Amino acid sequence: QSALTQPASVSGSPGQSITISCSGTSSDVGGYNYVSWYQQHPTKAPKLMIYDVNNRPSGVSNRFSGSKSGNTASLTISGLQAEDEADYYCSSYTISSTLVFGTGTKVTVL
Amino acid sequence: QVQLQESGPGLVKPSETLSLTCTVSGGSISSYYWSWIRQPAGKGLEWIGHIYTSGSTNYNPSLKSRVTMSIDTSKNQFFLKLSSVTVADTAVYYCATEGGGSYWGHRFDPWGQGTLVTVSS
Repeated sequence: QSALTQPASVSGSPGQSITISCSGTSSDVGGYNYVSWYQQHPTKAPKLMIYDVNNRPSGVSNRFSGSKSGNTASLTISGLQAEDEADYYCSSYTISSTLVFGTGTKVTVL
Repeated sequence: QVQLQESGPGLVKPSETLSLTCTVSGGSISSYYWSWIRQPAGKGLEWIGHIYTSGSTNYNPSLKSRVTMSIDTSKNQFFLKLSSVTVADTAVYYCATEGGGSYWGHRFDPWGQGTLVTVSS
């Protein structure tokens, strides 16, 4: 199975909004609402930020939101803060009953 | 709340079998899917596979020929074996659960802290 495609890097100034895309196929992102997003700071385990396309776990800031259109999912971070600087990964369930991660995006706060 | 902890040898020789254990505390392993995920240094996340409490498994096709997962509900543990390892299998290995409480979908939460496994002679 091929990794989902994410931009290698996205940057923004504090207070701005940024969007990270996650491109797949009708066999994964487009076919299921089991798309989730993870934030990973250096040397730390990933942290769930969004699940089932647009649901936020308790404790996650409402500055994080998710959406999906066709075979592409997106994570938007609004009101960008220094602490948001991290790597972000999407994940999706697939038609083969497996899961697949995205290639990862490094978010830089300018 | 549920916590996961990986354990196992930090060094494995090439061609041998990597064996890891994930111990679950604060909740029962008798429900949901339980996953293994790895991350080579400086690289992205790779899903290795998952096991359901019944013992049914699904594996990443790229690793399927070398992976075996098992579960022991009496000990609240699940296990990973990866055979014929090479230096390319050097990575931080994480365990995670895909469900919890009333959630029965496919999201990874929580995660273990991860354990570094180095393949070297």
